[in-house]
Amino acid sequence: QKEVEQDPGPLSVPEGAIVSLNCTYSNSAFQYFMWYRQYSRKGPELLMYTYSSGNKEDGRFTAQVDKSSKYISLFIRDSQPSDSATYLCAMRAGNTPLVFGKGTRLSVIA
Amino acid sequence: EPEVTQTPSHQVTQMGQEVILRCVPISNHLYFYWYRQILGQKVEFLVSFYNNEISEKSEIFDDQFSVERPDGSNFTLKIRSTKLEDSAMYFCASSAQGKETQYFGPGTRLLVL
Repeated sequence: QKEVEQDPGPLSVPEGAIVSLNCTYSNSAFQYFMWYRQYSRKGPELLMYTYSSGNKEDGRFTAQVDKSSKYISLFIRDSQPSDSATYLCAMRAGNTPLVFGKGTRLSVIA
Repeated sequence: EPEVTQTPSHQVTQMGQEVILRCVPISNHLYFYWYRQILGQKVEFLVSFYNNEISEKSEIFDDQFSVERPDGSNFTLKIRSTKLEDSAMYFCASSAQGKETQYFGPGTRLLVL
């Protein structure tokens, strides 16, 4: 079983839609969960950072962590064409290297 | 807003040559990292560096690789004898503390011919 699994998509939605992106993981020691956005041929840009379980909201973005199910989500409300990118989940246990998902490619169509 | 910078943005080299990839982490950060991303694949951890020494490294980071912080601002990744399979995007990242968020640079695209 892979440590972090993420559906690579591609996911195509109309402008204004609510987008749901998800990752599952197998390592119960993971405590820190991140979502990065990566535009083509650019570096990952941090979007959301969550410690342990719960929800975190920042503008149009909401991150959810369910440690009991080993499942994390990123919701994007009122999606815009500028949100078109690859979204990477990443996680780690304490002071350890980040483990990334493969990324989900999102296209928001105007 | 402070950011991680990397040079060069692109590097083309011949197999067997040495390359040095450079990074300037965010100025008050103490932890530095290199990751790589082969085209179409996951971002993979290579090495972490703290207090002038390697704190952790992956299986990928073999004897061909080395890291250095030659002065107070730069952090470098050296590949001694490049192989075709070293072709990838190489990302530098830094964090203020080990458990804090890592911020990534724009990457260096390395192509080994």
